[in-house]
Amino acid sequence: DTGVSQNPRHKITKRGQNVTFRCDPISEHNRLYWYRQTLGQGPEFLTYFQNEAQLEKSRLLSDRFSAERPKGSFSTLEIQRTEQGDSAMYLCASSARGLPTGELFFGEGSRLTVL
Amino acid sequence: DQQVKQNSPSLSVQEGRISILNCDYTNSMFDYFLWYKKYPAEGPTFLISISSIKDKNEDGRFTVFLNKSAKHLSLHIVPSQPGDSAVYFCASGGTSYGKLTFGQGTILTVHP
Repeated sequence: DTGVSQNPRHKITKRGQNVTFRCDPISEHNRLYWYRQTLGQGPEFLTYFQNEAQLEKSRLLSDRFSAERPKGSFSTLEIQRTEQGDSAMYLCASSARGLPTGELFFGEGSRLTVL
Repeated sequence: DQQVKQNSPSLSVQEGRISILNCDYTNSMFDYFLWYKKYPAEGPTFLISISSIKDKNEDGRFTVFLNKSAKHLSLHIVPSQPGDSAVYFCASGGTSYGKLTFGQGTILTVHP
Protein backbone atom coordinates (compact mmCIF):
# COMPACT_ATOMS: atom_id res chain seq x y z
CA ASP A 1 0.00 0.00 0.00
CA THR A 2 1.62 3.26 -1.11
CA GLY A 3 -0.93 5.64 0.42
CA VAL A 4 -0.47 8.01 3.36
CA SER A 5 0.26 6.06 6.53
CA GLN A 6 -0.42 7.32 10.06
CA ASN A 7 0.59 5.83 13.41
CA PRO A 8 -0.72 5.09 15.90
CA ARG A 9 -4.32 4.78 14.73
CA HIS A 10 -5.66 5.22 18.23
CA LYS A 11 -4.13 6.78 21.33
CA ILE A 12 -5.72 7.05 24.76
CA THR A 13 -3.84 9.19 27.24
CA LYS A 14 -4.32 10.97 30.51
CA ARG A 15 -4.54 14.72 30.72
CA GLY A 16 -1.11 16.28 31.05
CA GLN A 17 0.76 13.57 29.16
CA ASN A 18 2.64 14.13 25.90
CA VAL A 19 1.70 12.30 22.70
CA THR A 20 3.34 12.04 19.30
CA PHE A 21 1.81 11.05 15.98
CA ARG A 22 3.71 10.03 12.89
CA CYS A 23 2.78 10.46 9.23
CA ASP A 24 4.45 8.85 6.25
CA PRO A 25 3.28 10.61 3.08
CA ILE A 26 3.18 9.23 -0.44
CA SER A 27 6.86 9.01 -1.31
CA GLU A 28 6.94 11.39 -4.27
CA HIS A 29 4.82 14.05 -2.56
CA ASN A 30 6.76 17.07 -1.31
CA ARG A 31 3.79 18.77 0.37
CA LEU A 32 2.46 17.58 3.71
CA TYR A 33 -0.44 18.84 5.82
CA TRP A 34 -1.90 18.20 9.24
CA TYR A 35 -5.61 18.67 9.84
CA ARG A 36 -7.75 18.07 12.91
CA GLN A 37 -11.33 16.82 12.88
CA THR A 38 -13.71 16.85 15.82
CA LEU A 39 -17.08 15.11 16.02
CA GLY A 40 -19.66 16.56 13.64
CA GLN A 41 -17.19 18.95 12.02
CA GLY A 42 -15.10 18.95 8.90
CA PRO A 43 -11.31 18.80 9.01
CA GLU A 44 -9.57 22.00 10.15
CA PHE A 45 -6.17 23.04 8.79
CA LEU A 46 -3.32 22.96 11.31
CA THR A 47 -0.05 23.24 9.41
CA TYR A 48 1.67 22.85 6.02
CA PHE A 49 5.15 21.68 5.03
CA GLN A 50 6.85 21.99 1.69
CA ASN A 51 9.73 19.55 1.83
CA GLU A 52 11.25 20.11 5.31
CA ALA A 53 10.10 23.73 5.66
CA GLN A 54 7.03 24.49 7.74
CA LEU A 55 5.46 27.29 5.71
CA GLU A 56 2.19 27.90 7.51
CA LYS A 57 0.74 27.29 10.95
CA SER A 58 -2.86 27.87 11.95
CA ARG A 59 -3.62 29.84 15.08
CA LEU A 60 -5.32 26.61 16.21
CA LEU A 61 -1.81 25.25 16.74
CA SER A 62 -1.07 26.46 20.25
CA ASP A 63 2.40 26.47 21.83
CA ARG A 64 1.74 22.95 23.12
CA PHE A 65 1.69 21.65 19.54
CA SER A 66 4.80 21.17 17.45
CA ALA A 67 5.20 19.58 14.06
CA GLU A 68 8.37 18.61 12.27
CA ARG A 69 9.32 17.10 8.97
CA PRO A 70 13.03 16.31 9.10
CA LYS A 71 14.63 15.66 5.72
CA GLY A 72 11.31 16.31 3.99
CA SER A 73 10.08 12.76 4.39
CA PHE A 74 7.91 11.62 7.33
CA SER A 75 6.38 14.11 9.75
CA THR A 76 5.62 14.08 13.46
CA LEU A 77 3.00 16.01 15.38
CA GLU A 78 3.65 16.29 19.12
CA ILE A 79 1.15 17.54 21.66
CA GLN A 80 2.57 18.42 25.06
CA ARG A 81 0.57 18.54 28.30
CA THR A 82 -2.57 17.21 26.61
CA GLU A 83 -5.94 18.63 27.53
CA GLN A 84 -9.39 17.08 27.10
CA GLY A 85 -10.09 19.59 24.33
CA ASP A 86 -7.30 18.02 22.30
CA SER A 87 -9.42 14.88 21.81
CA ALA A 88 -9.94 14.64 18.06
CA MET A 89 -8.96 12.82 14.89
CA TYR A 90 -5.62 14.07 13.58
CA LEU A 91 -5.40 13.71 9.82
CA CYS A 92 -2.28 13.87 7.71
CA ALA A 93 -2.43 14.54 3.98
CA SER A 94 0.09 14.91 1.21
CA SER A 95 0.14 16.33 -2.28
CA ALA A 96 2.56 17.25 -5.01
CA ARG A 97 3.11 20.28 -7.18
CA GLY A 98 1.44 19.59 -10.48
CA LEU A 99 -1.61 17.95 -9.02
CA PRO A 100 -4.82 20.00 -9.09
CA THR A 101 -4.67 22.50 -6.25
CA GLY A 102 -6.47 21.19 -3.23
CA GLU A 103 -6.37 17.55 -4.29
CA LEU A 104 -4.99 16.04 -1.12
CA PHE A 105 -4.39 12.41 -0.26
CA PHE A 106 -5.42 11.79 3.33
CA GLY A 107 -4.33 9.06 5.67
CA GLU A 108 -6.80 7.18 7.84
CA GLY A 109 -6.07 9.44 10.80
CA SER A 110 -4.86 9.08 14.37
CA ARG A 111 -7.64 9.28 16.93
CA LEU A 112 -6.65 10.88 20.25
CA THR A 113 -8.71 10.47 23.40
CA VAL A 114 -7.61 12.48 26.43
CA LEU A 115 -9.10 11.28 29.72
CA ASP B 1 -16.63 32.14 11.80
CA GLN B 2 -17.89 29.34 9.58
CA GLN B 3 -16.59 30.31 6.14
CA VAL B 4 -17.91 27.15 4.48
CA LYS B 5 -21.33 25.82 5.45
CA GLN B 6 -23.25 22.69 4.61
CA ASN B 7 -26.68 23.31 6.05
CA SER B 8 -28.06 19.80 5.53
CA PRO B 9 -26.58 17.34 8.04
CA SER B 10 -28.10 14.41 6.15
CA LEU B 11 -29.77 13.43 2.88
CA SER B 12 -31.61 10.23 1.99
CA VAL B 13 -32.34 9.24 -1.63
CA GLN B 14 -33.50 6.19 -3.54
CA GLU B 15 -31.08 4.27 -5.72
CA GLY B 16 -31.18 5.55 -9.29
CA ARG B 17 -32.42 9.01 -8.34
CA ILE B 18 -30.43 12.24 -8.20
CA SER B 19 -28.57 13.31 -5.06
CA ILE B 20 -27.98 17.04 -4.66
CA LEU B 21 -25.64 18.23 -1.94
CA ASN B 22 -25.28 21.94 -1.23
CA CYS B 23 -22.62 24.20 0.19
CA ASP B 24 -22.35 27.94 0.84
CA TYR B 25 -19.21 29.98 1.39
CA THR B 26 -18.51 33.52 2.52
CA ASN B 27 -14.88 34.21 1.62
CA SER B 28 -14.55 35.96 -1.75
CA MET B 29 -10.86 35.09 -1.81
CA PHE B 30 -11.58 31.39 -2.35
CA ASP B 31 -10.74 30.49 -5.93
CA TYR B 32 -11.04 26.73 -6.02
CA PHE B 33 -13.66 24.43 -4.62
CA LEU B 34 -13.70 20.69 -4.02
CA TRP B 35 -15.83 17.83 -2.80
CA TYR B 36 -14.41 15.03 -0.68
CA LYS B 37 -16.09 11.76 0.26
CA LYS B 38 -15.46 9.93 3.51
CA TYR B 39 -16.33 6.37 4.49
CA PRO B 40 -16.23 5.27 8.16
CA ALA B 41 -12.72 4.54 9.48
CA GLU B 42 -11.11 6.00 6.36
CA GLY B 43 -9.64 9.38 5.55
CA PRO B 44 -11.43 11.75 3.16
CA THR B 45 -10.87 11.03 -0.52
CA PHE B 46 -10.94 13.63 -3.27
CA LEU B 47 -13.98 13.42 -5.53
CA ILE B 48 -14.19 16.42 -7.87
CA SER B 49 -13.11 20.05 -8.03
CA ILE B 50 -13.89 23.29 -9.83
CA SER B 51 -11.98 26.53 -10.19
CA SER B 52 -13.58 29.94 -9.85
CA ILE B 53 -13.32 30.60 -13.58
CA LYS B 54 -15.79 27.82 -14.34
CA ASP B 55 -19.40 27.26 -13.38
CA LYS B 56 -19.64 23.53 -14.04
CA ASN B 57 -17.40 20.49 -14.01
CA GLU B 58 -18.42 16.91 -14.78
CA ASP B 59 -16.76 13.61 -14.03
CA GLY B 60 -18.91 10.61 -14.84
CA ARG B 61 -21.91 10.52 -12.51
CA PHE B 62 -20.65 13.52 -10.56
CA THR B 63 -21.18 17.17 -11.52
CA VAL B 64 -20.19 20.19 -9.49
CA PHE B 65 -21.87 23.54 -10.06
CA LEU B 66 -20.50 26.89 -8.88
CA ASN B 67 -22.60 30.07 -8.55
CA LYS B 68 -20.09 32.76 -7.62
CA SER B 69 -22.61 35.56 -7.27
CA ALA B 70 -24.53 33.51 -4.72
CA LYS B 71 -21.38 32.01 -3.23
CA HIS B 72 -22.99 28.61 -3.61
CA LEU B 73 -21.62 25.23 -4.62
CA SER B 74 -23.54 22.04 -5.31
CA LEU B 75 -22.72 18.42 -6.12
CA HIS B 76 -25.08 16.35 -8.25
CA ILE B 77 -24.80 12.57 -8.31
CA VAL B 78 -26.79 10.87 -11.08
CA PRO B 79 -27.77 8.09 -10.83
CA SER B 80 -27.16 7.54 -7.13
CA GLN B 81 -25.90 4.13 -6.04
CA PRO B 82 -25.85 2.47 -2.59
CA GLY B 83 -22.04 2.61 -2.67
CA ASP B 84 -22.28 6.40 -2.73
CA SER B 85 -23.49 6.32 0.88
CA ALA B 86 -20.87 8.29 2.80
CA VAL B 87 -20.16 11.66 4.36
CA TYR B 88 -19.56 14.39 1.77
CA PHE B 89 -17.50 17.45 2.60
CA CYS B 90 -17.23 20.55 0.48
CA ALA B 91 -13.97 22.44 0.77
CA SER B 92 -12.60 25.72 -0.51
CA GLY B 93 -9.16 27.20 -0.89
CA GLY B 94 -7.43 30.37 -1.96
CA THR B 95 -3.76 29.52 -1.72
CA SER B 96 -1.39 27.89 -4.18
CA TYR B 97 -1.17 24.85 -1.94
CA GLY B 98 -3.64 22.66 -0.09
CA LYS B 99 -4.83 24.86 2.73
CA LEU B 100 -8.53 24.04 2.64
CA THR B 101 -11.52 25.20 4.63
CA PHE B 102 -14.06 22.40 4.98
CA GLY B 103 -17.79 22.40 5.62
CA GLN B 104 -19.32 20.31 8.39
CA GLY B 105 -20.27 17.48 6.07
CA THR B 106 -23.52 15.92 4.83
CA ILE B 107 -24.31 12.25 5.43
CA LEU B 108 -25.72 10.78 2.21
CA THR B 109 -27.68 7.53 2.41
CA VAL B 110 -28.72 5.85 -0.84
CA HIS B 111 -31.39 3.20 -0.32
CA PRO B 112 -31.57 0.16 -2.66
